[in-house]
Amino acid sequence: AQSVTQLGSHVSVSEGALVLLRCNYSSSVPPYLFWYVQYPNQGLQLLLKYTTGATLVKGINGFEAEFKKSETSFHLTKPSAHMSDAAEYFCAVSARNNDMRFGAGTRLTVKP
Amino acid sequence: DTEVTQTPKHLVMGMTNKKSLKCEQHMGHRAMYWYKQKAKKPPELMFVYSYEKLSINESVPSRFSPECPNSSLLNLHLHALQPEDSALYLCASSQDNVGGNYGYTFGSGTRLTVV
Repeated sequence: AQSVTQLGSHVSVSEGALVLLRCNYSSSVPPYLFWYVQYPNQGLQLLLKYTTGATLVKGINGFEAEFKKSETSFHLTKPSAHMSDAAEYFCAVSARNNDMRFGAGTRLTVKP
Repeated sequence: DTEVTQTPKHLVMGMTNKKSLKCEQHMGHRAMYWYKQKAKKPPELMFVYSYEKLSINESVPSRFSPECPNSSLLNLHLHALQPEDSALYLCASSQDNVGGNYGYTFGSGTRLTVV
C-alpha cells in the first residue's frame, strides 16, 4: 500500500519569500505523485504531477516539485510567495490500483 | 468543458431523511470517485467507479449508496445519516482507471450537515 507524509501541518512565510512544503512517500511500486491546492470551501485543484520521466516537474502558479527516489521525497517549492498562495496543500500518491491517497495537508500562510 | 459539477452545494438533512448528491462531468473520463472530507482533514476515499462499475468500496456504511447511471453521472444516495456524517463530499473524475496517473479533476463539493 502507498502513503504520503507531509512534514509540518502549518507553514508561514513572508510575501516574496521561498515556499517549501515537504512530502515523503512510501510505495511498494513506482509511484505517481501529485500536489493539490484547496482554497476555503472549494474542491481540490491539481498543481502538478510526477508520473515518469523528468524528475523536476513544473506546475501552475509558479510551483515546482522534484521527485527524489533516493530520499523518497516530492517537496513542493515556489521561489517567491504571493498572498494568493495562502491555502491548504495536499500531497498525494497513487499506485496502479486507482486509489489516490492524500497526506494530512499543510496550511500555508503568507504574511504581508 | 473541463469541470466536474456537483449539486447541491449545500445540504441540510435530518437523520430520517433520504437525499441524493449528484456529480456530472463531460470530459469523457471513465473513472469517477467519491471522497469525504472532514474539517481540517484530508479527503478520504469512499468509492471508485471505473467504466460505470464499482471497483473500490472503502468499507463505507450502507447508509451511503453510490450509483453510476452512465459514464457522465455519479450519484451518492443518503439515508438515515448520523450527525458525524456531516462533511464536505467531493466528487472527482480521471481519464482512465490505470492508477489515476493523469491526476483527478475535483468538483467544488457538497457541504452536508446532518441535524
